[in-house]
Amino acid sequence: QVHLVQSGAEVKKPGASVKVSCKASGYTFTGYHMNWLRQAPGQGPEWMGWINPNTGGTNYASKFQGRVTMIRDTSISTAYMELNSLRSDDTAVYYCASSSSWEGWWFDPWGQGTLVTVSS
Amino acid sequence: DIQMTQSPSSLSASVRDRVTITCRASQSIGISLNWYQQKPGKAPQLVIFAASSLQGEVPSRFTGSGSGTDFTLTITSLQPEDFATYYCQQSYSTPYTFGQGTNLEIK
Repeated sequence: QVHLVQSGAEVKKPGASVKVSCKASGYTFTGYHMNWLRQAPGQGPEWMGWINPNTGGTNYASKFQGRVTMIRDTSISTAYMELNSLRSDDTAVYYCASSSSWEGWWFDPWGQGTLVTVSS
Repeated sequence: DIQMTQSPSSLSASVRDRVTITCRASQSIGISLNWYQQKPGKAPQLVIFAASSLQGEVPSRFTGSGSGTDFTLTITSLQPEDFATYYCQQSYSTPYTFGQGTNLEIK
């Protein structure tokens, strides 16, 4: 059974950084891209970018370019997303979700989400 | 960026009703359109991919259709577990974008 398990909730001050992890199980980690998305309260999801766990290659949404870093550790089937220079409007639930570059860029499955709260 | 517009933003219906949600893309996206269901406090779950393909064990009362810029998600004979928020998402080009959501409530 394919499963993505994310790290726990975080509270950060403005200007700080946050790093969220996503551990995959039940499939070949290097066979599927890992996407990161976020969802602010009352809003639809927002795609932040993906990492190819096989090559380490990344594709970031221009909105987050320069502020986000996605990496992976294939030895433990885990992807990470780090967001820097946090602002109050970065407060959101952050999700990882898998997708297949040859089947299509839909997101399935998703992790359970990690609430990141940015507050002074 | 491709803008996705859903309508209606909210919808009240009863069990066994038939409902249709519409999603419009700001440019042609072929059939690169996916639908998700989200319940409060949970992650979105894929329902329909590539405009009309049913994901996994999603019941056949869910139907997706459309191509180009206009798409619909239809749920026939609503069941209590179907009341949730639904989002469309274009997978045609990055950044992949979502509609603002349709909140399907029990009447």
